[in-house]
Amino acid sequence: RKEVEQDPGPFNVPEGATVAFNCTYSNSASQSFFWYRQDCRKEPKLLMSVYSSGNEDGRFTAQLNRASQYISLLIRDSKLSDSATYLCVVNHYGGSQGNLIFGKGTKLSVKP
Amino acid sequence: DTGVSQNPRHKITKRGQNVTFRCDPISEHNRLYWYRQTLGQGPEFLTYFQNEAQLEKSRLLSDRFSAERPKGSFSTLEIQRTEQGDSAMYLCASSLAIRVGEDSPLHFGNGTRLTVT
Repeated sequence: RKEVEQDPGPFNVPEGATVAFNCTYSNSASQSFFWYRQDCRKEPKLLMSVYSSGNEDGRFTAQLNRASQYISLLIRDSKLSDSATYLCVVNHYGGSQGNLIFGKGTKLSVKP
Repeated sequence: DTGVSQNPRHKITKRGQNVTFRCDPISEHNRLYWYRQTLGQGPEFLTYFQNEAQLEKSRLLSDRFSAERPKGSFSTLEIQRTEQGDSAMYLCASSLAIRVGEDSPLHFGNGTRLTVT
């Protein structure tokens, strides 16, 4: 099993749609989880951290399921500007050991 | 500009040459990471430092790659005897690790794009 796995997509959705991405991770000891957004030919930028209790930031909701070892990202009311690649990031070794591993990313394309 | 700074932005080199990249992290950040990214892939972890100590190095990293952070501030990544397969975007990121048992988010630089001909 790969350390961090994501469906590469692409997810093609109309404006206003709700879309969800999942990301699975292999190490049950992992403690830190993030979602990053990367636009074409740009560096990744933090979208949101993922907390055990789940968290929401405007149209974006992130959840963690430790039992099944996955995190999810839900985007409501999609905008054209949401088109990007969404990267899941997991601390592979757990604790604060700093080995932050990225998934390959899920590409989202929001159409008018 | 107080973000992460990388230079050069682009580097074209011939196979077999050595190249060195520099990263200046956000000044108060104690962790510094190097990643490599190729088209259609996520960033691949190479190595990271906490202050001047190199704490982790990817098993995938060949011995042609070496990174340093001598004073716990800027870092350099050197690739010796470059190969065409080294062509990629090299990303540097920094973070401020302050919470026990938890990682802080990474802040990335714009990257150095390496092309080996």
